[in-house]
Amino acid sequence: QIQLQQSGPGLVKPSQTLSLTCAISGDSVSSNSAAWNWIRQSPSGGLEWLGRTYYRSKWYTGYAVSVKRRITINPDTSKNQFSLHLNSVTPEDTAVYYCARARGWIEDWGQGTLVTVSS
Amino acid sequence: QSVLTQPPSASGTPGQRVTISCSGGSSNIGGNTVNWYQQFPGTAPKLLIYKTNQRPSGVPDRFSGSKSGTSASLAISGLQSEDEADYYCAAWDDSMQGWAFGGGTKLTVL
Repeated sequence: QIQLQQSGPGLVKPSQTLSLTCAISGDSVSSNSAAWNWIRQSPSGGLEWLGRTYYRSKWYTGYAVSVKRRITINPDTSKNQFSLHLNSVTPEDTAVYYCARARGWIEDWGQGTLVTVSS
Repeated sequence: QSVLTQPPSASGTPGQRVTISCSGGSSNIGGNTVNWYQQFPGTAPKLLIYKTNQRPSGVPDRFSGSKSGTSASLAISGLQSEDEADYYCAAWDDSMQGWAFGGGTKLTVL
């Protein structure tokens, strides 16, 4: 049974970088059949896919156009986890952030982290 | 503005059958399978339907999914009070090269 455990600050100042980590148990970040995603949910409720990383003989990443210039998702094989870094944040980045595993479809989610962007 | 379009709300009485629609385009629903998620307040979404009409282990067969062209539907039969939740559709989008989500439908059991 997979578990995705998120960690990171719940408050980030405008213009700074939002950083979250998702620790994986029950699977490997280097799995050849999984992709590791970050998704956020705005206060109004909508879900927005931010990006993913996955390993298929080498590492790949893909990002949503809306955040492409500001986002980095990195795998950490030594700790079996992956991270999200979103820079130059504004109050519009305030949301609940989720990490999630996809194997053909998004099937497992982390517990979510409410991140508020405020000074 | 979500890529996939869902009605913001739906309702039904216990025992009724309710359907929730999800409309997209050729780059997402039209060419790929659809997944549905159920979310209760304060919790993460939970996979309800995958590959358009498949139920994960543990999901009651009261829940079913279908697709026609660029639209998909989630049907809930024998509605129960514990089905009151938010429901989201999702599909891979070949143009975006990412996951597209619907805006969510809040289901109320009257």
